[in-house]
Amino acid sequence: DTEVTQTPKHLVMGMTNKKSLKCEQHMGHRAMYWYKQKAKKPPELMFVYSYEKLSINESVPSRFSPECPNSSLLNLHLHALQPEDSALYLCASSPGLGINIQYFGAGTRLSVL
Amino acid sequence: QKEVEQDPGPLSVPEGAIVSLNCTYSNSAFQYFMWYRQYSRKGPELLMYTYSSGNKEDGRFTAQVDKSSKYISLFIRDSQPSDSATYLCAMSDNNDMRFGAGTRLTVKP
Repeated sequence: DTEVTQTPKHLVMGMTNKKSLKCEQHMGHRAMYWYKQKAKKPPELMFVYSYEKLSINESVPSRFSPECPNSSLLNLHLHALQPEDSALYLCASSPGLGINIQYFGAGTRLSVL
Repeated sequence: QKEVEQDPGPLSVPEGAIVSLNCTYSNSAFQYFMWYRQYSRKGPELLMYTYSSGNKEDGRFTAQVDKSSKYISLFIRDSQPSDSATYLCAMSDNNDMRFGAGTRLTVKP
């Protein structure tokens, strides 16, 4: 099973809302990632968790707050977003940082009004 | 110079054609080489990956890696309309993964 599950599939939020994106994998992977993807562009890395610890934060604004409650789950908490944050948010996992073959979820399409 | 170069296309071929997609890269530390297929408004799907140099075949798809030339390829035989998508090359080392820009492929019936 090479599945990464993301919820919700779609999300519309206002600039004052607080919402969360969820990601789950049951492949026993120890590294998990959040990406942002704009139309016709490749994914841009936001955060990396390795063994449930934040490993990389690519200078992402503080209105995005990641959380890794356990080795299977990854959350992205959203607060006071801007319209330019509208994008496809992708979660990925890999066996580990040393085996950096990433499997992606279907993504959450976020619209900020 | 970008770390990974991929012609964004678009590329349009008739059904049944052989498709060749390519990427070049500059970082010799990359060890894993991947091809993803992404349909519109969906997440990237891992098609194939190769560790170091060599060829790998899976059905109609063949991936080739030439580390000496820093060049990777994906061949699609007997292309089908359902292969119409954006194809992203990606390569990684222990800490980092880099994507190409993606090539938009259309296979016309």
